[in-house]
Amino acid sequence: DAGVIQSPRHEVTEMGQEVTLRCKPISGHDYLFWYRQTMMRGLELLIYFNNNVPIDDSGMPEDRFSAKMPNASFSTLKIQPSEPRDSAVYFCASSFGVGHTDTQYFGPGTRLTVL
Amino acid sequence: AQSVAQPEDQVNVAEGNPLTVKCTYSVSGNPYLFWYVQYPNRGLQFLLKYITGDNLVKGSYGFEAEFNKSQTSFHLKKPSALVSDSALYFCAVRDGGSSNTGKLIFGQGTTLQVKP
Repeated sequence: DAGVIQSPRHEVTEMGQEVTLRCKPISGHDYLFWYRQTMMRGLELLIYFNNNVPIDDSGMPEDRFSAKMPNASFSTLKIQPSEPRDSAVYFCASSFGVGHTDTQYFGPGTRLTVL
Repeated sequence: AQSVAQPEDQVNVAEGNPLTVKCTYSVSGNPYLFWYVQYPNRGLQFLLKYITGDNLVKGSYGFEAEFNKSQTSFHLKKPSALVSDSALYFCAVRDGGSSNTGKLIFGQGTTLQVKP
């Protein structure tokens, strides 16, 4: 398996522009997670899905952020409009299982820079 | 509420010496504990996890971790460090007593520097 795939790997955009990050989870995994990593705040869970349904979006910082999972093999995280403070590395992770023991597998991340 | 603490921002060891990266946790139910490693410009890689059973868990690349319930700790260890072990290490916990089955709480990370 190719693992979790994220695109783009790097994104540079200007304040006010819309940004869309993409994720393809490992085939067969039924959980998908979006994280944000910054020096100041560390690794933060933004939202996660189970069987394509959002379960917990309490980590989404504000209404400018939205995430969708239209099918089991694709998810997007959208920021509109983007702001410089959104600059961070965004990770997608997936896991399989219904219990607490399932291991999350991370993608390589998207490094977002908002100018 | 569940939480994880990694009290050291950085750990420095000489190659060939044993290493320990510390982690303590707080949960209301049974803890499920994980260690991940992050190399520069890469995603997090799973190292090992403790769910139940033997308190000493063995994982990838020669790493192991010891679960200590009385001290609420899950320290990562390796008998002999390699320069290639230099990376950022994250401890994470999930609360077994929580109805929220998906949420994993990560510590702030500890940078391990192994010098030749």
